[in-house]
Amino acid sequence: RKEVEQDPGPFNVPEGATVAFNCTYSNSASQSFFWYRQDCRKEPKLLMSVYSSGNEDGRFTAQLNRASQYISLLIRDSKLSDSATYLCVVNGAGGFKTIFGAGTRLFVKA
Amino acid sequence: NAGVTQTPKFQVLKTGQSMTLQCAQDMNHNSMYWYRQDPGMGLRLIYYSASEGTTDKGEVPNGYNVSRLNKREFSLRLESAAPSQTSVYFCASVDSSYQPQHFGDGTRLSIL
Repeated sequence: RKEVEQDPGPFNVPEGATVAFNCTYSNSASQSFFWYRQDCRKEPKLLMSVYSSGNEDGRFTAQLNRASQYISLLIRDSKLSDSATYLCVVNGAGGFKTIFGAGTRLFVKA
Repeated sequence: NAGVTQTPKFQVLKTGQSMTLQCAQDMNHNSMYWYRQDPGMGLRLIYYSASEGTTDKGEVPNGYNVSRLNKREFSLRLESAAPSQTSVYFCASVDSSYQPQHFGDGTRLSIL
């Protein structure tokens, strides 16, 4: 089992749609969680951190379920500019091991 | 605010040539990382440096060496480049293991 697993994608959605990305992690001692966005041939950029209580930033909502070892990202009212690859990232416990998921590609169409 | 700066941005090498990729960060971060990303693939950790003076192997260290020159700089060296090392190389830094990493904009390396 991979340490961090994401939906394989790609997701193809129309503008205005709501899309959800899922991610599971295997190390129950993991301490911190993030969603990154990566545009084609560019560096990954932090989209948002994921907190236990869940958090929202505009059209983006992140959730963490520690019991199920599950992280989600919800994008509402999708824009063409949301087209990118979304990476789930998990920081290990007590060390410097950061695990990046393989990413889920999103295409938003007009 | 430069953040993480990588040089060069593009490089073409011949098989067997050597090269050093440079990375510098101005955020006073303790830890630095080198990743490679092949087309359509995820990031793979090559080496990391948890703090100045220490370096450790990641998932794919073979064929590479690193130097943590000081707190700001972390270089990656290919001693004898091979076509399998054609990739995009990203450097990242972070202050603590609980924080998100900050990435440079990458070095695109082709080995013929």
